[in-house]
Parts: sequence; C-alpha cells; structure tokens
Amino acid sequence: DQQVKQNSPSLSVQEGRISILNCDYTNSMFDYFLWYKKYPAEGPTFLISISSIKDKNEDGRFTVFLNKSAKHLSLHIVPSQPGDSAVYFCAASWTFNAGNMLTFGGGTRLMVKP
Amino acid sequence: GAGVSQSPSNKVTEKGKDVELRCDPISGHTALYWYRQSLGQGLEFLIYFQGNSAPDKSGLPSDRFSAERTGGSVSTLTIQRTQQEDSAVYLCASSLAGRTSNEQFFGPGTRLTVL
Repeated sequence: DQQVKQNSPSLSVQEGRISILNCDYTNSMFDYFLWYKKYPAEGPTFLISISSIKDKNEDGRFTVFLNKSAKHLSLHIVPSQPGDSAVYFCAASWTFNAGNMLTFGGGTRLMVKP
Repeated sequence: GAGVSQSPSNKVTEKGKDVELRCDPISGHTALYWYRQSLGQGLEFLIYFQGNSAPDKSGLPSDRFSAERTGGSVSTLTIQRTQQEDSAVYLCASSLAGRTSNEQFFGPGTRLTVL
C-alpha cells in the first residue's frame, strides 16, 4: 500500500513555462513534506520542504503548496529551465517518528524542452 | 567538504551469493539511513542508525538483509543469498540527527544486479 503517490510518471514542459508536479498521500500522521530532485547516476538532492502548519513555501523559482484536507501537495517551478530536467520525488515524514525516515513517492520525470 | 560516498558504484552478482555494500556518511552526521530504489519505484526505507542507539530495522524486507555501523561512522549493508528481486539501487543517506528539520544527504547509490 503506497502511502505517498505521484500519479504522473513523466511531464514535458516548454522552457519558460510553469511545471506543476503533484503528489498525494494517505497517512494523516504525515506532517512534514519534502521534494527531492534526482539526476541520473546521482543521489537525490533536497529541493524544498513544507511543514503541515503552512500551506505554501516558496524558494526562488520553486514553490510547494500543501492542501491537508485533500492530502495533496504540489511543486511549482516557474519559469522552468532545461537544467530542471530530472526525476522529482515527493517524500513525507512525521515529527514524532523517531528517526525521521522518509516515505517516498515513485517519482515524476520532468523534461524541460528548450 | 566531502559528501556521502558509497562503494561499489555497481555490483553484479549471481543468485545465491552474498554481497556487501558500503556507505561513508558525512563526517559528524549521527544519523544514517539505507534506502533502496527498485526499477520504476520510489525509494523504500530499509534501516536507520542514530548514534550508538539500537538501529531501527523495521524496513528490512527479509532476514537475509542486515546492516551494521562501526564506530558511529561507516556502515555496511549485507545481503545474504541474493535473489533476483534484490536487484535495485541501494542508497545511503546521512543527516546531523534524526529530526524532520535535518536534511538527509544522499550518496550516489550502489546499483546491484542479481543474475
């Protein structure tokens, strides 16, 4: 039973446009959410996070939105750049989970076309 | 400074053999995690070490999997009697401590192929 799901395995966007990556979760105990970016043959790198006490967190071109009632979060990248082409993983954890083990979605491959 | 390193980067083995995968975390990081990513899947938590505490092994898929962390630093993940379904990329991550505010830094992974 996947607790974190990314239903779109891939997304193609034109350079300069907005990229929207979606993520759904089922475990209501999750209260901390993260997005990781992964290039081939490299480990995932942290991109942006959001606590459940917020509904939006912005960092430069990257904004994460959280809708707790829908158990849904999204990552917006604007404007998209070719260097953003990578696999994006949504992850979740909860504060009282000793150890902060992350539960990941299956990833979405983003392709930004020049 | 140096990031998380893992070795080997690739490992091909025959079914039934044992394998050892190594992780060198970032110096000073007390928390260490192993995850694996099977083909087309997300990352799956395997095991977690925090300082000198007993590890959290709740993610290990079978008793063929074990891990140790020597001296609070280097960790080795051992898979005994490998099976084809063990083929995956095994990723190690470390963080300052096991808190939600502590970013996990990942190594490049070891790609394991069991023939």
